[in-house]
Amino acid sequence: DTEVTQTPKHLVMGMTNKKSLKCEQHMGHRAMYWYKQKAKKPPELMFVYSYEKLSINESVPSRFSPECPNSSLLNLHLHALQPEDSALYLCASSLDRTQPQHFGDGTRLSIL
Amino acid sequence: DAKTTQPNSMESNEEEPVHLPCNHSTISGTDYIHWYRQLPSQGPEYVIHGLTSNVNNRMASLAIAEDRKSSTLILHRATLRDAAVYYCILRDWDSGGGADGLTFGKGTHLIIQP
Repeated sequence: DTEVTQTPKHLVMGMTNKKSLKCEQHMGHRAMYWYKQKAKKPPELMFVYSYEKLSINESVPSRFSPECPNSSLLNLHLHALQPEDSALYLCASSLDRTQPQHFGDGTRLSIL
Repeated sequence: DAKTTQPNSMESNEEEPVHLPCNHSTISGTDYIHWYRQLPSQGPEYVIHGLTSNVNNRMASLAIAEDRKSSTLILHRATLRDAAVYYCILRDWDSGGGADGLTFGKGTHLIIQP
């Protein structure tokens, strides 16, 4: 069990669909992160939120749209994705930038 | 973040100690050394971190070379559940504040034989 909860665990969508990934933590952490992990590769940073504001966007295509409605919740809105976007999407949180990150178990996304 | 170098894979026997090396010859004075591991079908998990002195916690020990150009993660008594990819990551605590992400290298795939 992890303290960062991601839903759904699996998602299959077509290239024209719109869907959202959800991440929730109740540890009082003020930094939240999205990572993308392709098969047999290390995770790669996508976005960082600090105190509910986007602080880092690692040149991610606009078809990925993050949102942080409150300090406990992080969403990743998906639209018009490509087959190469199929991957494991990981969410993480930390108390602040110096503290360890806590990861969820990810959403496995498949684009048809 | 400065670069780290780890062996691609290592194999060990159950109930024996495991020493996972990491080279970071370009480490700066403000870089902390962090270790994470990723078990199959799970997200990464924090293991341990340190700056200059050796560190111990319930999961592992971290031995840091005197010149800080290398470090070793020590699992004192490996179990089958320790089979995972282990990542050594440098994090700069003095880069202007604010949150930042982790830069993962390829890591070491640890195989535990029963």
